[in-house]
Amino acid sequence: AQSVTQLGSHVSVSEGALVLLRCNYSSSVPPYLFWYVQYPNQGLQLLLKYTTGATLVKGINGFEAEFKKSETSFHLTKPSAHMSDAAEYFCAVSDQGYSTLTFGKGTMLLVSP
Amino acid sequence: GAVVSQHPSRVICKSGTSVKIECRSLDFQATTMFWYRQFPKQSLMLMATSNEGSKATYEQGVEKDKFLINHASLTLSTLTVTSAHPEDSSFYICSAINSGRSYEQYFGPGTRLTVT
Repeated sequence: AQSVTQLGSHVSVSEGALVLLRCNYSSSVPPYLFWYVQYPNQGLQLLLKYTTGATLVKGINGFEAEFKKSETSFHLTKPSAHMSDAAEYFCAVSDQGYSTLTFGKGTMLLVSP
Repeated sequence: GAVVSQHPSRVICKSGTSVKIECRSLDFQATTMFWYRQFPKQSLMLMATSNEGSKATYEQGVEKDKFLINHASLTLSTLTVTSAHPEDSSFYICSAINSGRSYEQYFGPGTRLTVT
């Protein structure tokens, strides 16, 4: 069975500061990993994904994440936070070639001026 | 590309009535769609997997007679909440698999259901 752990239900940063949202996973097979963002009362938007190949993946809005197999991690980072980044972020995992997603509990990113 | 729509975006219904939520893939064919439920400040919980032309597969604990799923075409899946109760009030989100890119789900904007 797969699982995803997101450390910290809330993360607060100042505008311009580094954003780091943590995600650890467990999977019995090499995983596909995803980060999604959700704004209030909206669906999920894909930020980035890792399937195979380069372990550092870049996504939209300046976000990136690095797949570290030895640490079973896929942390999300952004060098400089914007006010518009304030939202809920979900990490998710799926088996290769099979698309059922298992989501973490989410991390709310708060950005202060 | 890869747009998924949901209708309605919000619905209020009375206890005991039924409500239908539509999920459409607008620019691609989706042999598989998923229905999720999200409670306030919580993660998405998979309710069922909807496959075009066949019966849906429900997750453990989800009442298939209460949450009826129909995937009659490659671009449309519907979720009908039957005999709704206030505890069914939630945010329902669908997603669709682009048949040409089997590992990626595209999510709809969600439907806020309130049962009074």
